[in-house]
Amino acid sequence: EAGVTQFPSHSVIEKGQTVTLRCDPISGHDNLYWYRRVMGKEIKFLLHFVKESKQDESGMPNNRFLAERTGGTYSTLKVQPAELEDSGVYFCASSHRGGNQPQHFGDGTRLSIL
Amino acid sequence: GENVEQHPSTLSVQEGDSAVIKCTYSDSASNYFPWYKQELGKRPQLIIDIRSNVGEKKDQRIAVTLNKTAKHFSLHITETQPEDSAVYFCAASRGFQKLVFGTGTRLLVSP
Repeated sequence: EAGVTQFPSHSVIEKGQTVTLRCDPISGHDNLYWYRRVMGKEIKFLLHFVKESKQDESGMPNNRFLAERTGGTYSTLKVQPAELEDSGVYFCASSHRGGNQPQHFGDGTRLSIL
Repeated sequence: GENVEQHPSTLSVQEGDSAVIKCTYSDSASNYFPWYKQELGKRPQLIIDIRSNVGEKKDQRIAVTLNKTAKHFSLHITETQPEDSAVYFCAASRGFQKLVFGTGTRLLVSP
């Protein structure tokens, strides 16, 4: 099966601009997660979709971040306006419905804010 | 909320030696504990996981142990090889909820 795919792989934008990241989960996976790794630190949770519904968005840092998953397939994460501290690697992961299912990660989007 | 601590932050071993990475968690309701390996510039890759109803799990040279009472779990890699060099992350979660990660261990295996 195809893995989790993320686009773009890299993005370099200036402070104040807008960027949209996309994640295509593994087909049939109801659960979709966004995580972020900043400055070589730990991977931190941002939010969790079950199909098209936001199950948990407790990790979203502020209202400059907007995630959507229309139709319950792919998801987008928009940062508007971008700030310097938003730089990092944004990972998407997906898993099957049900408890304790393994989360499979994409390659991530490396976001650099200048 | 859940907090996961991971030690050591860096670990250097000679090829053929064993490597052990330890994690502790704070939320007694956590019941799923995966380990991920991340090579430079690549995706975190699940290498082994354990559920709270099991004390130990093995897969070839990799094993994980879980002590629910003490709330800690460990990754054991035997007969290490240079290709085992990577950053290893432990994580904890409840069911299908978010993963809470440790800070990572950079493992270097020297030939």
